[in-house]
Amino acid sequence: DTEVTQTPKHLVMGMTNKKSLKCEQHMGHRAMYWYKQKAKKPPELMFVYSYEKLSINESVPSRFSPECPNSSLLNLHLHALQPEDSALYLCASSQEAASYNSPLHFGNGTRLTVT
Amino acid sequence: DAKTTQPPSMDCAEGRAANLPCNHSTISGNEYVYWYRQIHSQGPQYIIHGLKNNETNEMASLIITEDRKSSTLILPHATLRDTAVYYCITPRGYGGSQGNLIFGKGTKLSVKP
Repeated sequence: DTEVTQTPKHLVMGMTNKKSLKCEQHMGHRAMYWYKQKAKKPPELMFVYSYEKLSINESVPSRFSPECPNSSLLNLHLHALQPEDSALYLCASSQEAASYNSPLHFGNGTRLTVT
Repeated sequence: DAKTTQPPSMDCAEGRAANLPCNHSTISGNEYVYWYRQIHSQGPQYIIHGLKNNETNEMASLIITEDRKSSTLILPHATLRDTAVYYCITPRGYGGSQGNLIFGKGTKLSVKP
């Protein structure tokens, strides 16, 4: 079991749909992250939020829109995705973002399929 | 940014110690070494991290060389459930900020009966 909860576990969406991925943690962490993982590849960093403010955007296309409504919640809004966006989307949190001594805690991800 | 080099795959017999090496020759003085693992279809799991001293917890031990250019993760009694991809990571700095994790390719550890 993980202390970072992601919903839904699986999502199938068409290229014209709008959907959202949700992530929640109750460990009091002030940094939250989105990663994308394609099959047989390592996770790739997408976004970092620190104290509910976006601090890092790794040049992610605008069809992915993150949102951090409060320190416990992180959303990823999806619109007009392409089939190549199909992947496992991982959320993580850590006590602080600007620290070398702050392990990340990951959820088990949302498996997204774009048709 | 410090990069890490790991063997792509390793095998280990069940019940034996698994020793996973990592080279991080460009690490800077204040960068920690982190180890994570990812079991199939799950999110990465934090294992252990250290700066320069050896570290041990309930999952593993981390041995860091004195020059900090390499480290070894030790699973003392590997089980079939330890079969996973193991990532050795040193955080990359973004300008003046610190500590965001970029994953390399990792080592696929297969524990065999």
